Amino acid sequence: EEQLVDSGGRLVQPGGSVRLSCVAPGFSINSFWMTWVRQAPGKGLEWVANINEDGSEKSYLDSVKGRFIIYRDKSNNALYLQMNSLRVDDTAVYFCARDRNYYAGRIAYDVFDIWGRGTKVTVSP
Amino acid sequence: AIQMTQFPSSLSASIGDRVTITCRASQGIRNDLGWYQQKPGKAPKLLIYAASSLPSGVPSRFSGSGSGTDFTLTISNLQPEDFATYYCLQDYNYPRTFGQGTRVDIK
Repeated sequence: EEQLVDSGGRLVQPGGSVRLSCVAPGFSINSFWMTWVRQAPGKGLEWVANINEDGSEKSYLDSVKGRFIIYRDKSNNALYLQMNSLRVDDTAVYFCARDRNYYAGRIAYDVFDIWGRGTKVTVSP
Repeated sequence: AIQMTQFPSSLSASIGDRVTITCRASQGIRNDLGWYQQKPGKAPKLLIYAASSLPSGVPSRFSGSGSGTDFTLTISNLQPEDFATYYCLQDYNYPRTFGQGTRVDIK
């Protein structure tokens, strides 16, 4: 079964750091773009960052640029999100997701088709 | 960043009803739009991509339409398992942006 398992969330003080992990026990994520999405308590979904197959292309939400780093380890079939200089408003459940192309005719569309269950990051004094 | 305005923010409906949710983009995004369903405490699930295409396994009572700036998600013959929150997501450019969500609950 294709599934993603995200982990690493914890309580951290403002200014602290956390590293989130995402692994795929049932398939290789190495052939796919991968994405992180977050959801603050009681709020909607917010895209955070994504990375291409070999790690050479990355995009970030403006509010996390310079503080968060998305990267991957092919040998461990894993995706990571290094979160530094954390702020109270980074408090959220963080989901990793497989970011792939689905086709309508010959045109490719970017979708998030497999998601982890989410890992909770709480930033509080 | 492209703003995605979704409405209504919530609605109440009955089993068997037809429900329509709207998403408006702040600029044209062709048909680069998906819809996701999220139930409490769970990860989102892909429902629609390319504004109107259904992935394998998604029931045909879900349908999507629109292009440019205005999009709709329609659920016909609402079922008990459809009570959830629905989000649109533009994949036209970065940063990817979601609508604020529409919560569908039982009347």
